[in-house]
Amino acid sequence: GDSVTQMEGPVTLSEEAFLTINCTYTATGYPSLFWYVQYPGEGLQLLLKATKADDKGSNKGFEATYRKETTSFHLEKGSVQVSDSAVYFCALNNAGNMLTFGGGTRLMVKP
Amino acid sequence: DADVTQTPRNRITKTGKRIMLECSQTKGHDRMYWYRQDPGLGLRLIYYSFDVKDINKGEISDGYSVSRQAQAKFSLSLESAIPNQTALYFCATSDPTAGAWGYGYTFGSGTRLTVV
Repeated sequence: GDSVTQMEGPVTLSEEAFLTINCTYTATGYPSLFWYVQYPGEGLQLLLKATKADDKGSNKGFEATYRKETTSFHLEKGSVQVSDSAVYFCALNNAGNMLTFGGGTRLMVKP
Repeated sequence: DADVTQTPRNRITKTGKRIMLECSQTKGHDRMYWYRQDPGLGLRLIYYSFDVKDINKGEISDGYSVSRQAQAKFSLSLESAIPNQTALYFCATSDPTAGAWGYGYTFGSGTRLTVV
């Protein structure tokens, strides 16, 4: 079946540091890929998405590129802020409108 | 009001008790889901419903049941709670007309359940 693997956290960075959170997937066909963010005490919010190979999703300074050759969708941000502290989930949808989530990566940004 | 409302937000219950978690939505979406979140395991699907007459088991349905009382309401029940059901539970809705493959998911803020 489909699966999503994320780097384990927590990831601790200083403000203005560069962020990479790795995500790889296993799926048949051509899934759509997503990053969701969960701020403390809240539900998940869609951060960005990509629906086909080489698409780049972007939002709030975050970017991720759909790499079919490496089955990856790594999340990056050039300069993190304290307000980016949250849990980030990589997810895929492979027909049927059902999401498969990775285990989540907690990001902690220190001033 | 939130688009997807879960009640209660927090609950502590004893082993063996029956408990119901409720979810209501104002999005007008037909599709609703219950997920469970455990540290390091991401979100796992418990049950889902594509309309009022449609109920489907997800990845981890054992020990749980659901009821879709109306388009806007989807409840999750633990018939006899056990400690390893301690987790954060999320309800979600989706709109398949919002675009291809899973756009338009809306999550509630979660219910933190502790079984002692």
